[in-house]
Amino acid sequence: RKEVEQDPGPFNVPEGATVAFNCTYSNSASQSFFWYRQDCRKEPKLLMSVYSSGNEDGRFTAQLNRASQYISLLIRDSKLSDSATYLCVVPPSGTSYGKLTFGQGTILTVHP
Amino acid sequence: DAGITQSPRYKITETGRQVTLMCHQTWSHSYMFWYRQDLGHGLRLIYYSAAADITDKGEVPDGYVVSRSKTENFPLTLESATRSQTSVYFCASLLAGGGEQFFGPGTRLTVL
Repeated sequence: RKEVEQDPGPFNVPEGATVAFNCTYSNSASQSFFWYRQDCRKEPKLLMSVYSSGNEDGRFTAQLNRASQYISLLIRDSKLSDSATYLCVVPPSGTSYGKLTFGQGTILTVHP
Repeated sequence: DAGITQSPRYKITETGRQVTLMCHQTWSHSYMFWYRQDLGHGLRLIYYSAAADITDKGEVPDGYVVSRSKTENFPLTLESATRSQTSVYFCASLLAGGGEQFFGPGTRLTVL
């Protein structure tokens, strides 16, 4: 099993849709997780951190399921500007910094 | 300017040449990282540094050399560039104690 695996995508959704991405991880000792967003040909930027069961920020909700070792990202009321690649990120062995492991990313395209 | 910068932004070189990619941050973050991003592989860690004069290998260190004589600078050198090192290189920094990694804008390197 890869350290971090994401839904392969790409996801193509209309504006206003709700879309969810999953990410599975192999290190059961990991305590915190991140979702980064990367626009085309740009650097990744932090979208959300997940330290407990979940986190919500406006239209974005991240949930953590430790028993099944996956995290999800839910985007409600999708906007054209949400089109990007979403990277699931897992720190090693419970630390929240250092050698992060990035998933390959899920491409989201929101169309009119 | 405040933040994290990379230079050059674009570089074309030939096989066998030595190339140095520069990374500079103005936050005095303890941790700095070098990643490469390729289609099909996502972001992979090359080297990282926990502080000045402390560096360690990441997932794909072969063919690369780093140094960190000052906290704010973390240059990456390709000693003898190969075509397989054609990639987008991102530098990142992190304040000790965890949290968000901040990425530079990236250097797009082509080795002919």
